[in-house]
Amino acid sequence: QSVLTQAPSASGTPGQRVTISCSGSASNIGRNTMSWFQQLPGTAPKLLIYNNNQRPSGVPDRFSGSKSGTSASLAISGLQSEDEADYYCAAWDGSLNGWVFGGGTKLTVL
Amino acid sequence: QVQLQQSGPGLVRPSQTLSLTCVISGDSVSSDNAAWNWIRQSPSRGLEWLGRTFYRSKWNTGYAESVKSRITINPDPSKNQFSLQMNSVTPEDTAVYYCVRSYNGDLDYWGQGTLVTVSS
Repeated sequence: QSVLTQAPSASGTPGQRVTISCSGSASNIGRNTMSWFQQLPGTAPKLLIYNNNQRPSGVPDRFSGSKSGTSASLAISGLQSEDEADYYCAAWDGSLNGWVFGGGTKLTVL
Repeated sequence: QVQLQQSGPGLVRPSQTLSLTCVISGDSVSSDNAAWNWIRQSPSRGLEWLGRTFYRSKWNTGYAESVKSRITINPDPSKNQFSLQMNSVTPEDTAVYYCVRSYNGDLDYWGQGTLVTVSS
């Protein structure tokens, strides 16, 4: 059972905007910054969003993040077939003194 | 560009010790701004943080409560690498293990992953 909660699946058609949500608690999302990762099959997770809404170099601006209270969201606009992947949220948990993750959302591009 | 190269056996017998090493290039294990983590991923447990080591005037470690009694993470500044040892493994420890850098609070660089299977 993951500490952060994500819906197991999401889908959209090419060009659509899709939002993936993540909920936590005061000790993790409520107090610390949020990260999002994209994982393609057979590869390591790749940092997509850090510090709630910042994109590492090379990540398209189609990807955006936001946080409010103990919840956070990842939005993908202009959906493309190569966006089909698993997406994970993560945050530091000050009570557990460790990183906690969501269970992942599998995004399907129809 | 930071790169993390993992090595270690892919098969460990039950009750034995799992040992993995992560060689760092493009950064230093002794960096004042980074921490060096081990994270594993399995279908049953998802992504699970195991622990970390970092240097802030002295070496520090932190471990997840779920594995605290069984794991050790050690830095090796002479080889610019860090390692994971997990003892008394069971089939539930079967997972892909990743070494990961956290920098200014972000898990930014990941190793390639090592599938470790615990089986007799």
